[in-house]
Amino acid sequence: ETGVTQSPTHLIKTRGQQVTLRCSSQSGHNTVSWYQQALGQGPQFIFQYYREEENGRGNFPPRFSGLQFPNYSSELNVNALELDDSALYLCASSLDSGNSPLHFGNGTRLTVT
Amino acid sequence: TQLLEQSPQFLSIQEGENLTVYCNSSSVFSSLQWYRQEPGEGPVLLVTVVTGGEVKKLKRLTFQFGDARKDSSLHITAAQPGDTGLYLCAGAGIGSGNTGKLIFGQGTTLQVKP
Repeated sequence: ETGVTQSPTHLIKTRGQQVTLRCSSQSGHNTVSWYQQALGQGPQFIFQYYREEENGRGNFPPRFSGLQFPNYSSELNVNALELDDSALYLCASSLDSGNSPLHFGNGTRLTVT
Repeated sequence: TQLLEQSPQFLSIQEGENLTVYCNSSSVFSSLQWYRQEPGEGPVLLVTVVTGGEVKKLKRLTFQFGDARKDSSLHITAAQPGDTGLYLCAGAGIGSGNTGKLIFGQGTTLQVKP
């Protein structure tokens, strides 16, 4: 059973640029949730995708957007990067869109300079 | 806005000591999950508690969900250096607007010295 994989593992971008982060969900999981974890903090919910549709969104601006593909993999896109966007971005997959346990990937560490 | 507050934020103890981490909120949650996260890795689920007053044990770790489902605690007996890590509690909200959205506490960094 393949777990959740995220790419890239590390990324450095300049303020104002755009970035795309990728996530492959665990086999059999149809739901992907994205979280942002700033240094020394707990993860914060960005949004969730269930069967290719956005299914819930946290308190993040529209420049944070996402996609889910027919194979349930997902992308997180962030436009007009700001310094405060520097964080660990975690992807988690689950069996369904309810309160099923989340299986997290190891994250993408984004640094905005 | 639902918030979860964890305490303490940092804990440094000697091997063999006991400790308790608390997770408190003014909001009711449908369930509470505890995760452990090591540097460079994503959080790993330890346990989910669902019923008010529920107690679950995982080897030396004991988890309790408050009767009102607003708070939870994690107790570790005879801590070992391998218990070192960031412990996170996360609540699942009640209602369709919160389905699948977990609210995390800020975490407790535990260091167990040999």
